[in-house]
Amino acid sequence: GAGVSQTPSNKVTEKGKYVELRCDPISGHTALYWYRQSLGQGPEFLIYFQGTGAADDSGLPNDRFFAVRPEGSVSTLKIQRTERGDSAVYLCASSSITLAGRGSNEQFFGPGTRLTVL
Amino acid sequence: EDKVVQSPLSLVVHEGDTVTLNCSYEVTNFRSLLWYKQEKKAPTFLFMLTSSGIEKKSGRLSSILDKKELFSILNITATQTGDSAVYLCAVYTGTASKLTFGTGTRLQVTL
Repeated sequence: GAGVSQTPSNKVTEKGKYVELRCDPISGHTALYWYRQSLGQGPEFLIYFQGTGAADDSGLPNDRFFAVRPEGSVSTLKIQRTERGDSAVYLCASSSITLAGRGSNEQFFGPGTRLTVL
Repeated sequence: EDKVVQSPLSLVVHEGDTVTLNCSYEVTNFRSLLWYKQEKKAPTFLFMLTSSGIEKKSGRLSSILDKKELFSILNITATQTGDSAVYLCAVYTGTASKLTFGTGTRLQVTL
């Protein structure tokens, strides 16, 4: 596609529920990133994929958070047993950087999903 | 722990003014520094800086990196109301797998 797309744009859920957030990166980009942005803060890194594999998941806050990218393009961020503190904008980005370091590591961001946990 | 600090946190200027936004960093294994503009949700890329002392310029915006003093500045000349946004600074470190962001500078340009 022309840019990174994310769905849904807004998600309201109740504490304890399970949610899935979807990211569709720029076509051909092998690198995909998830970030979380709380009000008044900069984005905070969650996880980085190269192709289908999670190359760095050091930013996932706990085991309630999980992300997959089964075919190396679309990615889904899954949050189990949501808590009010999970409320934030979840941003996805992609870049053309490869594991070998070829390409550009300029990251292009999607519009984000605003998650509200009541 | 890697740290990126931006100042000021917010700024209000009149149209036509020139502004300078600051970004300092304390990180291990610095690779490059990036500036983004965030108006609503998606940060949009402005500059990537890797080498010290080389100014990058795009229209009224310019940026420079000082790797000795560990900071970067973003200049905007002849500001316009459309420049109103949050400006984010971020640093790639280590294997360059992730960006560490500052909290941003909120710029408001008034008529």
